[in-house]
Amino acid sequence: NAGVTQTPKFQVLKTGQSMTLQCAQDMNHEYMSWYRQDPGMGLRLIHYSVGAGITDQGEVPNGYNVSRSTTEDFPLRLLSAAPSQTSVYFCASRLTGGFTEAFFGQGTRLTVV
Amino acid sequence: LAKTTQPISMDSYEGQEVNITCSHNNIATNDYITWYQQFPSQGPRFIIQGYKTKVTNEVASLFIPADRKSSTLSLPRVSLSDTAVYYCLVGDYNQGGKLIFGQGTELSVKP
Repeated sequence: NAGVTQTPKFQVLKTGQSMTLQCAQDMNHEYMSWYRQDPGMGLRLIHYSVGAGITDQGEVPNGYNVSRSTTEDFPLRLLSAAPSQTSVYFCASRLTGGFTEAFFGQGTRLTVV
Repeated sequence: LAKTTQPISMDSYEGQEVNITCSHNNIATNDYITWYQQFPSQGPRFIIQGYKTKVTNEVASLFIPADRKSSTLSLPRVSLSDTAVYYCLVGDYNQGGKLIFGQGTELSVKP
């Protein structure tokens, strides 16, 4: 039981490049979400999904796309990387009903130069 | 979603009890109060959740007064390893609600 797995752990991009951050969970959780955390700041919600085929925007969605084709996977795509997207990205998952503990991945540290 | 307000930072010494208070004046009837802990370079970790009165687990206690407009996370006898950022979240998570994090409280435990 791996929990929430994020890949890669570290990434350096050049401005304008695109890439996909991967997130997978093996707990059969309906709810998945992506956050970014800038130095000294709290987590800000980028996008979230309450089930396969359903996604919605969070607090800071601009510059990011998501899709949810399976329950297990929730990739985050950066369309054209900008230095302002330099951050640590966290993926989380949880059940949508009942006890609602969220489980977080270990994060992806992204630097855009 | 109810807005939460916490102290930005707190200092403590090993062995002391630490109480972190969170204000959430606009909490709704169906909202729960949840606390997460985050160590440097790690994702947040669930600590405790409650609706009213008192909840206790092996890590912490959560005190919620009758009006539910605030809550207090209590960490008994802290150690250096309790140095972390603590987040208070409020929301109707049973409905698949969004988890919105505020600034959190940075707790520093000194020897």
